[in-house]
Amino acid sequence: QKEVEQNSGPLSVPEGAIASLNCTYSDRGSQSFFWYRQYSGKSPELIMSIYSNGDKEDGRFTAQLNKASQYVSLLIRDSQPSDSATYLCAVTRAGNNRLAFGKGNQVVVIP
Amino acid sequence: EAQVTQNPRYLITVTGKKLTVTCSQNMNHEYMSWYRQDPGLGLRQIYYSMNVEVTDKGDVPEGYKVSRKEKRNFPLILESPSPNQTSLYFCASRLATGGNSPLHFGNGTRLTVT
Repeated sequence: QKEVEQNSGPLSVPEGAIASLNCTYSDRGSQSFFWYRQYSGKSPELIMSIYSNGDKEDGRFTAQLNKASQYVSLLIRDSQPSDSATYLCAVTRAGNNRLAFGKGNQVVVIP
Repeated sequence: EAQVTQNPRYLITVTGKKLTVTCSQNMNHEYMSWYRQDPGLGLRQIYYSMNVEVTDKGDVPEGYKVSRKEKRNFPLILESPSPNQTSLYFCASRLATGGNSPLHFGNGTRLTVT
C-alpha cells in the first residue's frame, strides 16, 4: 500500500459545483495533514491543514479528517475556473521530519 | 516578504558537469528540504536539514549532495549530473516544530541534463 494515495485521473466539475477530493494514508501514527494546490509549472502552496478528526472550513474549502478510516478529504464549494489546478495531499507523523506527498489530483473547472 | 528563493529557475547542462542549485529562506526556519517532482511520481524528498550542519537523506538521495553551513542557505549539488536527474526541483522550509508546521516552497528549478 502506498504511503499516501489519491484518486487517479483528472476531475472535471462545472463552475459553481462542489469538487470532492479524497486521500488515504497507510501510517496510523500520522498526525498532521495538509492540502496543497499547485498550478501547472508553479510551486505548491498550502491551502488547508488539519490535525484532528472532523471538519475544518476556510472560505470555500473544507477539509475532513477521519483517522479511524485513515482518510482525509478536501471539498471545494462553488468551484471557480481559478480552482483548476493539481491538489496534493501531504501527511506527516508528529515529531517526524518527513512529509509524504500523494501524487496529486488534477481538477478542471469548466465554465 | 517572507520567501524561499531558488536559483536558477531554468538550467540546461550536459552529463557530468557539476552544478549547484541555490536555496535561501528569510524566515529563520530551522528545517529545509529539497524535493524533485516528476510526472506520475509526485514530489519526492531528496535531502533535508533540521538545522545548521545537520542533514539527512530523504527518499531519493542518490546522485545529490547538500550542505547547511548557514541557517538561511541550503544548496543542492549535483557532482556528476545524469539525464535521469532531469526534473523539476523544489526547495522548501518550515519551522522545526515537529510535523505540524506547513512547508513553504520556492519557485522551483527546472533542470535538463542532456
